[in-house]
Amino acid sequence: QKEVEQDPGPLSVPEGAIVSLNCTYSNSAFQYFMWYRQYSRKGPELLMYTYSSGNKEDGRFTAQVDKSSKYISLFIRDSQPSDSATYLCAIKRTGGGNKLTFGTGTQLKVEL
Amino acid sequence: EAQVTQNPRYLITVTGKKLTVTCSQNMNHEYMSWYRQDPGLGLRQIYYSMNVEVTDKGDVPEGYKVSRKEKRNFPLILESPSPNQTSLYFCASARLAGSTDTQYFGPGTRLTVL
Repeated sequence: QKEVEQDPGPLSVPEGAIVSLNCTYSNSAFQYFMWYRQYSRKGPELLMYTYSSGNKEDGRFTAQVDKSSKYISLFIRDSQPSDSATYLCAIKRTGGGNKLTFGTGTQLKVEL
Repeated sequence: EAQVTQNPRYLITVTGKKLTVTCSQNMNHEYMSWYRQDPGLGLRQIYYSMNVEVTDKGDVPEGYKVSRKEKRNFPLILESPSPNQTSLYFCASARLAGSTDTQYFGPGTRLTVL
C-alpha cells in the first residue's frame, strides 16, 4: 500500500466550476500537508501549506485536512483555464527533516 | 531572481555512458534534494543533502551518486546509465532541513537512456 494515494484523473471541468482534489494517507506520523501545482514541462510550485486539521483559504483555493480520517483536500472555486495543471499532494512527517512523500498527482483541465 | 536551475533540460544518451546533471540554487539554501518523476509513481526522492559535504540516500538511490562540495551546487551523477533511469528529474532546495521549510523545485531534466 502506498503511503499517499491520489486519484490520477484526468479531471475535466467547465470554467467556473468548483473543483475538489483529494488524497488519503496511511501514516499518522504525517503532520505537514502541502499542495503543489505543476504545469506541463515545469517543476512543481508550492500552492498551499498547512499543518493542522481544518481549513486554510488563499484566494480561490482552500486546503482542508482531516487527520482523523487521514484525508486531505484542495478546493478550487471559480476555476479558470489557467488552473489547468497537475496537482500534487505532498506530506511530511514530524521529525522527518524535509523529506516529502508525494501523491501521484491529479491532472486537471478547465475548459472554456 | 531566486531560483533553482538545472542543466541540461533535455538529454538523450546511451546505456553505460556516464553523465552528470547539474543543479544550482542562488538562495543560500542548506537543504537540496533530487527527485525522479515517473507516470503512476509520482515524485520519488533519490538523494538529499542537509548541508555541504552531508548527503544521504532517499527512497530510490540505486544507480545514482551525488556530491555537495559547495552550498549552491548539487550535481546528480549517473556512472553507468540504464534504460530504467529514463525519467524526468527534479532538483529542489529549502532554506533549512526542518519540517516546516518549503521546497522550491527546478524546471526539470528529461533524460532518455537508449
